[in-house]
Amino acid sequence: GAVVSQHPSRVICKSGTSVKIECRSLDFQATTMFWYRQFPKQSLMLMATSNEGSKATYEQGVEKDKFLINHASLTLSTLTVTSAHPEDSSFYICSATSVLNQPQHFGDGTRLSIL
Amino acid sequence: GQQVMQIPQYQHVQEGEDFTTYCNSSTTLSNIQWYKQRPGGHPVFLIQLVKSGEVKKQKRLTFQFGEAKKNSSLHITATQTTDVGTYFCAGRGNAGNMLTFGGGTRLMVKP
Repeated sequence: GAVVSQHPSRVICKSGTSVKIECRSLDFQATTMFWYRQFPKQSLMLMATSNEGSKATYEQGVEKDKFLINHASLTLSTLTVTSAHPEDSSFYICSATSVLNQPQHFGDGTRLSIL
Repeated sequence: GQQVMQIPQYQHVQEGEDFTTYCNSSTTLSNIQWYKQRPGGHPVFLIQLVKSGEVKKQKRLTFQFGEAKKNSSLHITATQTTDVGTYFCAGRGNAGNMLTFGGGTRLMVKP
């Protein structure tokens, strides 16, 4: 089946640090990638949708200058949490699909802890 | 905006008992997907329903899409400890391409 690799799986860093998370589709071309945030025992909250070669579409309430998304190729999207603070600590998870309206394939997620 | 609600939030069952989770959308959906997330893991796609009244089965799992395409259910017959996890429904509205996830139902199975 389709495989999505997300890296790193865990990050612990000091407040003020910028953190980059990579999401790669390993065996298919991901025309669309999604970035979610998930709080403990809660549902997935869509942060943004990114299409290859174009600017990401952010959901209401998500700061685009805080969460920079780059979808430079059909197999790679990155999320950079800029100047991270403790309230940004969360589980960030990406998903990818080759055709919109088809199932999304999720990465393993990144657990971000800001001290 | 589109809202997708899922009940119950949690369900404890004895192994062998049946389990059902229900999903309701505030708007008509073009399709609905179901995902399972094991503890500590990522969501894994289970199935997609597209047609009104559609019923699909995967071994002990039965998925239904309501006639009005605003609700769906997942029923597990004779649960096993391997069924443990959180089951999410995710609905796609007619107007856009965004998938809205329900809050999930966390299933715990006592052996």
